[in-house]
Amino acid sequence: DSGVTQTPKHLITATGQRVTLRCSPRSGDLSVYWYQQSLDQGLQFLIQYYNGEERAKGNILERFSAQQFPDLHSELNLSSLELGDSALYFCASSTRSGTGGTNEKLFFGSGTQLSVL
Amino acid sequence: SQQGEEDPQALSIQEGENATMNCSYKTSINNLQWYRQNSGRGLVHLILIRSNEREKHSGRLRVTLDTSKKSSSLLITASRAADTASYFCALNYGGSQGNLIFGKGTKLSVKP
Repeated sequence: DSGVTQTPKHLITATGQRVTLRCSPRSGDLSVYWYQQSLDQGLQFLIQYYNGEERAKGNILERFSAQQFPDLHSELNLSSLELGDSALYFCASSTRSGTGGTNEKLFFGSGTQLSVL
Repeated sequence: SQQGEEDPQALSIQEGENATMNCSYKTSINNLQWYRQNSGRGLVHLILIRSNEREKHSGRLRVTLDTSKKSSSLLITASRAADTASYFCALNYGGSQGNLIFGKGTKLSVKP
């Protein structure tokens, strides 16, 4: 058990809908990362938050947004869903901010499997 | 691309044999990490090697890093059926970004 909790584990929805994925990081971890894993694209970095602030942005679509709350949990909002958004969404956490000089490993949750029908 | 490329894409061996996976990249890194993913599960960190290190060991795992060739290898010795999983190299470029850029992975199958 990594200590990172993601809910829900599975989500089935229809095109055009909006969903929210939730992540609770390991106790004490300030950084949260979101990744999308699909068969064709592999594991894609979406966005990173550190202590409530956005720290780094990857291949995140404009239809997607995220935030990190004062209690450090994070939510990833996916809207106007398309078939191609079907994927496994992972949240990971780490201790530090990720600024230069750190060597940190990520702890991954077990993911949310999103199916858009 | 900042993504690492793993080679081979798939590897099938017998229990007891060694498995070697490689990762190549294009631009200088801060550190390189290897992760394992069992089917449909979350990724688990295996080992981290810094850019100024050449080799690290952890149990049956041995990782090497050659920054002049921009490549790394992961060796699993005396493999077991339980090692069956996908293995990913992940690149950290340092700076203000702590995120990792993952390759597409090597799918390892260890047959009993």
